[in-house]
Amino acid sequence: DIQMTQSPSSLSASVGDRVTITCRASQGISNSLAWYQQKPGKAPTLLLYVASRLESGVPSRFSGSGSGTDYTLTISSLQPEDFATYYCQQYYNIPWTFGQGTKVEIK
Amino acid sequence: QVQLVQSGAEVKKPGASMKVSCKASGYTFTAYYMHWVRLAPGQGLEWMGRINPNSGGTNYAQKFQGRVSMTRDTSITTAYMELSTLRSDDTAMYYCARFYCSGGNCYPDYWGQGTLVTVSS
Repeated sequence: DIQMTQSPSSLSASVGDRVTITCRASQGISNSLAWYQQKPGKAPTLLLYVASRLESGVPSRFSGSGSGTDYTLTISSLQPEDFATYYCQQYYNIPWTFGQGTKVEIK
Repeated sequence: QVQLVQSGAEVKKPGASMKVSCKASGYTFTAYYMHWVRLAPGQGLEWMGRINPNSGGTNYAQKFQGRVSMTRDTSITTAYMELSTLRSDDTAMYYCARFYCSGGNCYPDYWGQGTLVTVSS
């Protein structure tokens, strides 16, 4: 199975801050990486796929980059509605595997 | 619009079985694999398996082999996930998720709203 190591596990930030979350795969996943936002009691919402493609309707302050084994999610200017938990996921092969999540909290 | 609507919350006793449904609408049900993922309290997201709604073929995570069964009913565009011999650590939110393919790219896009299953004596 491909292991996904996501960091940090949590962070505190203020509205307007730039936030970066990283995800490392245990082997190359050819950009088969998605980023999700999840709020308590809700399903994960797709933000980006193929590492850097923005899902329709997702604000442009979210961006993704990376290749091979290392990937990054950036929120350019954190908004109040962005406080949530973020997950990376590889879908290069099955079993799908996920990062452990990053909880973004208000500073 | 694409919708995946799951069945309601359940409370089960240890040793029992559960069956969660995922009603798909707004697209051709048989065109895309359906996956099942769960989120247990204090744990991360965990992939359970997938079903090809066209053929009925399945792949399961090794952890759940022998305890999980994924089926579908194409006449009502619904996928099912059944988990048997429930334990307290099966208490989790269970999700279905569509694996969409377009233009040479495949990725999970829509998720069901989740079904909370609580296992308690």
